[in-house]
Amino acid sequence: DSGVTQTPKHLITATGQRVTLRCSPRSGDLSVYWYQQSLDQGLQFLIQYYNGEERAKGNILERFSAQQFPDLHSELNLSSLELGDSALYFCASSPGVAGGIEQYFGPGTRLTVT
Amino acid sequence: AQRVTQPEKLLSVFKGAPVELKCNYSYSGSPELFWYVQYSRQRLQLLLRHISRESIKGFTADLNKGETSFHLKKPFAQEEDSAMYYCALGAMNRDDKIIFGKGTRLHILP
Repeated sequence: DSGVTQTPKHLITATGQRVTLRCSPRSGDLSVYWYQQSLDQGLQFLIQYYNGEERAKGNILERFSAQQFPDLHSELNLSSLELGDSALYFCASSPGVAGGIEQYFGPGTRLTVT
Repeated sequence: AQRVTQPEKLLSVFKGAPVELKCNYSYSGSPELFWYVQYSRQRLQLLLRHISRESIKGFTADLNKGETSFHLKKPFAQEEDSAMYYCALGAMNRDDKIIFGKGTRLHILP
């Protein structure tokens, strides 16, 4: 157990809908990262927050947004959902901000868009 | 720009045979390389990082700066090694993020 928690575990929704995925980092970790994992694209970095501020952006669509709250938990909002958004969404955390630090991954949220 | 390439999407190896999962990277600065593993229905977890130079579960990986490679090796494959393996590139430069390769699925044949 990495200490990173994600809710919900599974989510099934329809196209055009909006969902929110939640992540609680390990105690003491200030950085939160979001990834999308699909069969054809592998693990894609979406966005990173550090101590409440956006730190780095990856391949995140404009329909997606995220934030990190004062208690350091983070939410990833996905809107106007499309079938292609079906994937496993991972959250990870690390103590600092530098890319050379080990990341601790949560169990993931499996999103199915029908 | 940072880039990680794992050329094999799937690698099938017989039990007891040697394993080599390839990883090549592109980065202008001083790289930090990692291998992460994801067993079936489990979360990603760190397998090893190049600066620790240790062997985990019989796996080793050597950073070759000349060939810009960080291949993961194990002399004798075991069935429990079947998993998804991701090579990752980070940097101590605080402005650089960690980049993951697309992953290689290792399938150990009995």
